[in-house]
Amino acid sequence: RKEVEQDPGPFNVPEGATVAFNCTYSNSASQSFFWYRQDCRKEPKLLMSVYSSGNEDGRFTAQLNRASQYISLLIRDSKLSDSATYLCVVNGHNTDKLIFGTGTRLQVFP
Amino acid sequence: EPEVTQTPSHQVTQMGQEVILRCVPISNHLYFYWYRQILGQKVEFLVSFYNNEISEKSEIFDDQFSVERPDGSNFTLKIRSTKLEDSAMYFCASSGGGPWDEQFFGPGTRLTVL
Repeated sequence: RKEVEQDPGPFNVPEGATVAFNCTYSNSASQSFFWYRQDCRKEPKLLMSVYSSGNEDGRFTAQLNRASQYISLLIRDSKLSDSATYLCVVNGHNTDKLIFGTGTRLQVFP
Repeated sequence: EPEVTQTPSHQVTQMGQEVILRCVPISNHLYFYWYRQILGQKVEFLVSFYNNEISEKSEIFDDQFSVERPDGSNFTLKIRSTKLEDSAMYFCASSGGGPWDEQFFGPGTRLTVL
């Protein structure tokens, strides 16, 4: 089983749509969870940390289910500028190294 | 807003040559990292550095690789004898709040080995 698994997409959605991405991770001892965004040939940029209680930042909502080892990201009212690859990231067991998923590509069209 | 910076943005080198990639982490951060991303693949951890020593390294980080914090601001990655398969984007990252805190990435150095 891959350490962090994501559907690679692409997800093609119209502006204004709501889109959800899912991710599963294999290490139940992971302690920190993040969503990063990566534009083509650029660095990963932190979108949001993910907490057990769930958290929201504007149009973005992240959820964590530790029992199922599952993380989700919901984007409401998609904008053209949301087009990017969304990376699910967790830390390892007793370590601060980040383990990245392969990313889910989102394309928002007019 | 403070950010991680990296130089050069693009480095082209011949196989077998040594390269040094440079990073300036966010100024009050204490935890430093190098990651790499081969074109079309996922981001992979190379090494973490804290308190002037390596705290963890991956299998990729073999004897050809080394890291150094030569002064209070720079953090460098050296590859002694580059191979074709070292061609990748190399990202530096730093974290300030603790080992499990958010990591902030620099813009990367694209290394091309010919």
